[in-house]
Amino acid sequence: SQQGEEDPQALSIQEGENATMNCSYKTSINNLQWYRQNSGRGLVHLILIRSNEREKHSGRLRVTLDTSKKSSSLLITASRAADTASYFCATGRSRLTFGEGTQLTVNP
Amino acid sequence: GAGVSQSPRYKVAKRGQDVALRCDPISGHVSLFWYQQALGQGPEFLTYFQNEAQLDKSGLPSDRFFAERPEGSVSTLKIQRTQQEDSAVYLCASSGRVQLTFYEQYFGPGTRLTVT
Repeated sequence: SQQGEEDPQALSIQEGENATMNCSYKTSINNLQWYRQNSGRGLVHLILIRSNEREKHSGRLRVTLDTSKKSSSLLITASRAADTASYFCATGRSRLTFGEGTQLTVNP
Repeated sequence: GAGVSQSPRYKVAKRGQDVALRCDPISGHVSLFWYQQALGQGPEFLTYFQNEAQLDKSGLPSDRFFAERPEGSVSTLKIQRTQQEDSAVYLCASSGRVQLTFYEQYFGPGTRLTVT
């Protein structure tokens, strides 16, 4: 069973725009991770945010975490066609529990 | 360096056949995970090894699924008497961390299993 839900399920934007994806989860967590999956590179870890952090940046990625609402968001700024992929949030210390993912399409 | 590799990349099996899927983790990684990913869904946990010990197999969907990692490196996921509902991508991941806080997992490309 999935831990939570991503929202939206699908997102289509133009190159240069920002993309925001949201994730909700059900149980208390120690950390939350975001992964990207595309046909070329498989499932790749993007960023991890700990439960005592509220925001984290990595390059064009910005992740926020609201433990009171059991939710997280991933913002990709200045999107590129190469960002086209499915994005998943995942929780867990060892075994990861993934959401159902957001399919992002960035149109050139 | 080399990442996680999986073989075969694609497998077509007739219903009732047994299949064996192989995972070569990153050299030196202690932890190894198997996940099953159905079309349009996120990966779902199957089982977890730390070295050769299978610490968690609670995600295996039935007793037709069996995994092993006898020498603490290469792992094999075996599915007996395959059924159509076993059709999915099987992902292997490895991690080198043994600390208690978190693991970043490195995933292989997956094996796409189609049961006809």
